[in-house]
Amino acid sequence: EAGVVQSPRYKIIEKKQPVAFWCNPISGHNTLYWYRQNLGQGPELLIRYENEEAVDDSQLPKDRFSAERLKGVDSTLKIQPAELGDSAVYLCASSLDQGVPLNTEAFFGQGTRLTVV
Amino acid sequence: AQSVTQLDSQVPVFEEAPVELRCNYSSSVSVYLFWYVQYPNQGLQLLLKYLSGSTLVKGINGFEAEFNKSQTSFHLRKPSVHISDTAEYFCAVSAMNRDDKIIFGKGTRLHILP
Repeated sequence: EAGVVQSPRYKIIEKKQPVAFWCNPISGHNTLYWYRQNLGQGPELLIRYENEEAVDDSQLPKDRFSAERLKGVDSTLKIQPAELGDSAVYLCASSLDQGVPLNTEAFFGQGTRLTVV
Repeated sequence: AQSVTQLDSQVPVFEEAPVELRCNYSSSVSVYLFWYVQYPNQGLQLLLKYLSGSTLVKGINGFEAEFNKSQTSFHLRKPSVHISDTAEYFCAVSAMNRDDKIIFGKGTRLHILP
């Protein structure tokens, strides 16, 4: 079974440019997460989807970040415009949640390492 | 709100020696607890989780953790480490609430010395 697939693995862009990340979750997983992991830190949740609905986007900087999950499968995360402080690893994860407890096991992709110069 | 503290940012240990990675949490409600491992340039992988029941939880790769409610701790242990255990280890907590998210600690880097 294929795991969570993210692309690209690495991205270097100049500040003020737009960038997009793509995530293909494990087949059948209804919940999808985007996390940001700064250097030397643990992952921080940006947004969580249940199917195509964003149920928790309280940590998403909405002035420059946007995300979508069309048809409740693949997802894209966009930053426009990027700032130097956005340099981080962006992780996508998915899980099959069928009730309490939520988040019992999330499967993570390898991440996209973004460098803004 | 919940929080997680991993007391050691780095832990060096000789190969075949035992190791303990410390984790303390703070929460006003009951919680679920997790340990994830991140190998270099990889995503996170679940090592083990505590949801309820026995406070001693066994995970993959010979790791185990013990939930101690009175000390609000969830320390990770392995009796004999291998070079392949070199990785970053993250403790995480989630409130027993269907809508709550996982909060990760800052991580502990495990260095295995030959």
